[in-house]
Amino acid sequence: DAGVTQSPTHLIKTRGQQVTLRCSPKSGHDTVSWYQQALGQGPQFIFQYYEEEERQRGNFPDRFSGHQFPNYSSELNVNALLLGDSALYLCASSLGPGKESPLHFGNGTRLTVT
Amino acid sequence: GQNIDQPTEMTATEGAIVQINCTYQTSGFNGLFWYQQHAGEAPTFLSYNVLDGLEEKGRFSSFLSRSKGYSYLLLKELQMKDSASYLCAVPFTGGGNKLTFGTGTQLKVEL
Repeated sequence: DAGVTQSPTHLIKTRGQQVTLRCSPKSGHDTVSWYQQALGQGPQFIFQYYEEEERQRGNFPDRFSGHQFPNYSSELNVNALLLGDSALYLCASSLGPGKESPLHFGNGTRLTVT
Repeated sequence: GQNIDQPTEMTATEGAIVQINCTYQTSGFNGLFWYQQHAGEAPTFLSYNVLDGLEEKGRFSSFLSRSKGYSYLLLKELQMKDSASYLCAVPFTGGGNKLTFGTGTQLKVEL
């Protein structure tokens, strides 16, 4: 039973560039959430996708966008990268967005912006 | 808004018991989660409390007091592998599984 998988594991980008991160949810899960975790901090909610639509968004600018595909996998896109976007980006999957069901996290993508 | 406070760091001895506290402020309570995160790894689910009281799960127990806006995670018979960050989280107002996390408590278990 495959868990949540994310790619790539590490990425180095330059300020102003664009990046796409990918996530495949745990088998049987239909909801994908993205979190940003800065060093020494807890994860911060970016947005959640269910039925290929963005259902809720945290306090992140429009430079952060996403997509969910029919197979439930998801992408996170960040445009016009800033140094402050350097962080661990975590994808979490669950069954349905409306229940307090535990999130299953991937190991994350470590993004470094120089 | 929502606010979660937990200590930044704690140190404990192998074999001992440690209690990690979490206080929260939220409008509309929909439960409280605890996650464990080893360095460089994904957070993993430990517990979910929605009613007051203590819930025990092996060496780990979690307590909730809704009236006090307070929870703690109790780790017994500490092992070196318990060295990790412990994250307290509450769902957004309205419920569901979109979470606000605390900054995490970095626990170091020493010999």
